[in-house]
Amino acid sequence: DARVTQTPRHKVTEMGQEVTMRCQPILGHNTVFWYRQTMMQGLELLAYFRNRAPLDDSGMPKDRFSAEMPDATLATLKIQPSEPRDSAVYFCASGFDESSPLHFGNGTRLTVT
Amino acid sequence: DQQVKQNSPSLSVQEGRISILNCDYTNSMFDYFLWYKKYPAEGPTFLISISSIKDKNEDGRFTVFLNKSAKHLSLHIVPSQPGDSAVYFCAASIPFGNEKLTFGTGTRLTIIP
Repeated sequence: DARVTQTPRHKVTEMGQEVTMRCQPILGHNTVFWYRQTMMQGLELLAYFRNRAPLDDSGMPKDRFSAEMPDATLATLKIQPSEPRDSAVYFCASGFDESSPLHFGNGTRLTVT
Repeated sequence: DQQVKQNSPSLSVQEGRISILNCDYTNSMFDYFLWYKKYPAEGPTFLISISSIKDKNEDGRFTVFLNKSAKHLSLHIVPSQPGDSAVYFCAASIPFGNEKLTFGTGTRLTIIP
């Protein structure tokens, strides 16, 4: 059963530190999304890629967040420097065409103290 | 600006009865709607979807209704089972398909045995 894999599952870090979250999309999927879950906003779209090209990162704070896809099997989301308000669960999702629903990973729970 | 709204943060329903989860949207360009289900410590999983050309889609115990004029959709689960206890997210996209899903804040459904 193919699934999206996210690492780490949990991350606790101090304010100001760099955080890197990784995602392995399902093999063959050509779209990758990063979402952040917060109590107030639900699931917010941060960035998404199609065929490894960034299409939209308007949901990300540009000064501290960056998203990349070094290759088709890896997507990364970096926060530098991290702040307590970044504490949330970050989900990666992948899909392969417009008619199929997104598959989500189990998320990275980030706590910034 | 919350374009997809789930105004009930939580809902409790007796096992065997009908669960009705509601969702409202403000963007008239949305033409594809989905419901995702999320268990604790897991990512959201796709449940059911509906295109704007339909007003109803049914899949087993789950039925989604769409009222375009009211910009409202609902998910009906009947009969409700304990395993249905989860957080349910409503999502919408432009155009048809899974790209750039806009999610609501979720409704936590608890099925009472």
